[in-house]
Amino acid sequence: KAGVTQTPRYLIKTRGQQVTLSCSPISGHRSVSWYQQTPGQGLQFLFEYFSETQRNKGNFPGRFSGRQFSNSRSEMNVSTLELGDSALYLCASRADRDEQYFGPGTRLTVT
Amino acid sequence: DQQVKQNSPSLSVQEGRISILNCDYTNSMFDYFLWYKKYPAEGPTFLISISSIKDKNEDGRFTVFLNKSAKHLSLHIVPSQPGDSAVYFCAASGAGNNNDMRFGAGTRLTVKP
Repeated sequence: KAGVTQTPRYLIKTRGQQVTLSCSPISGHRSVSWYQQTPGQGLQFLFEYFSETQRNKGNFPGRFSGRQFSNSRSEMNVSTLELGDSALYLCASRADRDEQYFGPGTRLTVT
Repeated sequence: DQQVKQNSPSLSVQEGRISILNCDYTNSMFDYFLWYKKYPAEGPTFLISISSIKDKNEDGRFTVFLNKSAKHLSLHIVPSQPGDSAVYFCAASGAGNNNDMRFGAGTRLTVKP
């Protein structure tokens, strides 16, 4: 089985711009979660999608949004980028209550 | 709010000795706990898990202990190997459909040869 893939792997944007990150889950996995990793903060939960519906949401501002398509692929969008949004964004998929499988992440740098 | 806490940002042990990584949680609705390992430039990979109906789960060199009354879990690695050097994240999820997974800040383990 192919693993979770994320594109792009690296991204540089300037403040005020918006960005869209993409995630393709493992085949058959309907749950996709997004996390932000910054030094010292661990993995901060952004949101989880299941069957095209947002099932859970973390404590991030409305500038962070996402969606899931019928093939379970998911996108995350961040609008009006701020310097503090620079981080590694990880996507994870899982079948049900099993462990999550993570992608390699997208490293976003905001200048 | 940090519902899952790893209070030690780093840990250094000698090869062959035991590594003990600790994790505390505040939400009593969590009933499934996991440990993930992360190398630089890679996503976290699942290591071991434990459900709240157990107090110990062992897989080779890795053992996870759960103390529900103290809301504490720990990961023991015996014997530690240099290849175990990585960042370890503790995670927890709750019962029901809204079982989003929450992670701790991570502990960087360094195993010295």
